[in-house]
Amino acid sequence: ETGVTQSPTHLIKTRGQQVTLRCSSQSGHNTVSWYQQALGQGPQFIFQYYREEENGRGNFPPRFSGLQFPNYSSELNVNALELDDSALYLCASSLDSTGPHEQFFGPGTRLTVL
Amino acid sequence: AQSVAQPEDQVNVAEGNPLTVKCTYSVSGNPYLFWYVQYPNRGLQFLLKYITGDNLVKGSYGFEAEFNKSQTSFHLKKPSALVSDSALYFCAVRDYAGNNRKLIWGLGTSLAVNP
Repeated sequence: ETGVTQSPTHLIKTRGQQVTLRCSSQSGHNTVSWYQQALGQGPQFIFQYYREEENGRGNFPPRFSGLQFPNYSSELNVNALELDDSALYLCASSLDSTGPHEQFFGPGTRLTVL
Repeated sequence: AQSVAQPEDQVNVAEGNPLTVKCTYSVSGNPYLFWYVQYPNRGLQFLLKYITGDNLVKGSYGFEAEFNKSQTSFHLKKPSALVSDSALYFCAVRDYAGNNRKLIWGLGTSLAVNP
């Protein structure tokens, strides 16, 4: 069973640029959630995708967008990068979008915006 | 509004001593509660969860947690701490009765186990 993978592991961008982060969900999981974790903070929910549809969103502006593909892998896109976007971005997959299913996390992508 | 509080930023214990990491929550309905651990430069790893039933939940690596509905708490415990347990611990909650699909996370508690 393959776990959750994310790419790239590290990324450096400049303010105003755009970035795409990728996530492959664990085998059999149809739900992917994305989180932003700033240094010293807990994860902040960005959005969740279930069967290729966004079905939940946190308090993030529209420049944070995503996709989920038929194989349930997912992308997080961030436009017009700001310095405060520097963080660890975590992807998590789960068996379903509701219920008591735990989420399985990838190692994260460390984004630095200069 | 749903919320999770981890009242201690840091917990220090000696190796071999019992440890407790505290978590309290607030939800409108009945909660699903989770504990995760994060090692440096790593993603979060699931430890255990409470859904319903027995208030004492056993999880990975010898950890357990006690659900207390009257005190709205879900404290993480381990009878004998190891140096390798040193990490960042997060409590999370979801209200299963609602349509809200997101987990609400605490700010984390840094556990340091001293040899």
